[in-house]
Amino acid sequence: EDKVVQSPLSLVVHEGDTVTLNCSYEVTNFRSLLWYKQEKKAPTFLFMLTSSGIEKKSGRLSSILDKKELFSILNITATQTGDSAIYLCAVEAIEFPNTGNQFYFGTGTSLTVIP
Amino acid sequence: GAGVSQSPSNKVTEKGKDVELRCDPISGHTALYWYRQSLGQGLEFLIYFQGNSAPDKSGLPSDRFSAERTGGSVSTLTIQRTQQEDSAVYLCASSLLDRRGNTEAFFGQGTRLTVV
Repeated sequence: EDKVVQSPLSLVVHEGDTVTLNCSYEVTNFRSLLWYKQEKKAPTFLFMLTSSGIEKKSGRLSSILDKKELFSILNITATQTGDSAIYLCAVEAIEFPNTGNQFYFGTGTSLTVIP
Repeated sequence: GAGVSQSPSNKVTEKGKDVELRCDPISGHTALYWYRQSLGQGLEFLIYFQGNSAPDKSGLPSDRFSAERTGGSVSTLTIQRTQQEDSAVYLCASSLLDRRGNTEAFFGQGTRLTVV
């Protein structure tokens, strides 16, 4: 059964701390891994990773994928209160035969940044 | 439209009534997904459409839930005889299968359903 597991489930840090969020997966026909930030209702896209070892970076956020060990990490440096959110990891799998793609979501990591 | 549009944004209904939730995906997106998120929970997959057909209905929690998609575009999620445990945010996402480039699931703003 395909699955995506995120850890930790929740995390409380102080402003300025660095955090690492983990996502491991067991998905057949893997195509990509995506990170989303969810503050209110709709998740917003952060990164898409398709290749191992290539870090993607956006400001204080960065992410990397290891396709051999089947995991990804999301790093946030110098955290701010505005980083408080649920961070979702999703894995995209290609459904065969050519019926489209499917996204499998983890349950998310709830991050709280205290001033 | 420019993004995925869901309506209504909020819905309060009485237990036992039927509700319909609507999703307008991004124009041209062939795949459409429905998810549910209960308070404090992660995203729960409900159903997935490729075009008008639903290859994967495995997530529908009961036969009170159904969904359809017409014209490869708008989708409606129907919940019959609503129960209090149906209260949740219902999220719709769409994506375009593109072998050449990146794809991602674009989410609507969700419908918050409250069953009283």
